[in-house]
Amino acid sequence: EDKVVQSPLSLVVHEGDTVTLNCSYEVTNFRSLLWYKQEKKAPTFLFMLTSSGIEKKSGRLSSILDKKELFSILNITATQTGDSAIYLCAVKNSGGSNYKLTFGKGTLLTVNP
Amino acid sequence: NAGVTQTPKFRVLKTGQSMTLLCAQDMNHEYMYWYRQDPGMGLRLIHYSVGEGTTAKGEVPDGYNVSRLKKQNFLLGLESAAPSQTSVYFCASSYGSRYEQYFGPGTRLTVT
Repeated sequence: EDKVVQSPLSLVVHEGDTVTLNCSYEVTNFRSLLWYKQEKKAPTFLFMLTSSGIEKKSGRLSSILDKKELFSILNITATQTGDSAIYLCAVKNSGGSNYKLTFGKGTLLTVNP
Repeated sequence: NAGVTQTPKFRVLKTGQSMTLLCAQDMNHEYMYWYRQDPGMGLRLIHYSVGEGTTAKGEVPDGYNVSRLKKQNFLLGLESAAPSQTSVYFCASSYGSRYEQYFGPGTRLTVT
C-alpha cells in the first residue's frame, strides 16, 4: 500500500522564522512528488518534483527531493502570517497509463506575529 | 477563467437522502477527480475520470457514483447518504496524468 508521511503534524513559529517541513514516502513506481498549500478552501499547487537533488524555488519557498532516501523537504524562509496554512505533500505513481496521487495528512503551520 | 468550480458549497442531508455534487472546469482538462477530506485522514480519492465518458474507482469509492457526460463536468452522486459520508468534498482537474491537479473550493456535506 502506498504511504506518504508528513512531519511534524503541526508547527507554531514567529514571523521571520525559517521552517522545514518533511515528507517521506513509500510508493510503487514513483513518478513525482507535489506540494500544495491549503488555507481555508482549495489546496493550491506549489511545486512538482521529479528529479533528485534539483531544488525548486519560488520566492521564500523552496523544495528538494531525495529519491534515494525517499523524502522531500519544503523550506519557508522569513515566514509571514500569510504562510499560515496546511501544507500537503502528495506522491504520484504510475499505474498503467493512469497516475494515482496519494496525499499525506498535512502539516499545519501557524505563524504568529 | 473560473478554473474549477463546485456546487453547492454547503449541504445538509438526512440519512438515506440522495444528492449530486457538480464540478465544472473551464481549462479544457482531460482528467478530473473527486476527493474527500476528513480530519486526520488527509485527502482520499473517491473516483476519477481520464476523459469524457470514462470513470474509474479510486481509493474509497463505496457509496458513491460518478458520471462524466461532458468533458467540462464531473458529477458525484450519493444514492443513499450515510453519516460516514459527512466530509468536505473536493473536485480537481488536470491537463493530463503527468500534470499537477487544480482543486475546486470544496463542498461541505453533513449527513445527520
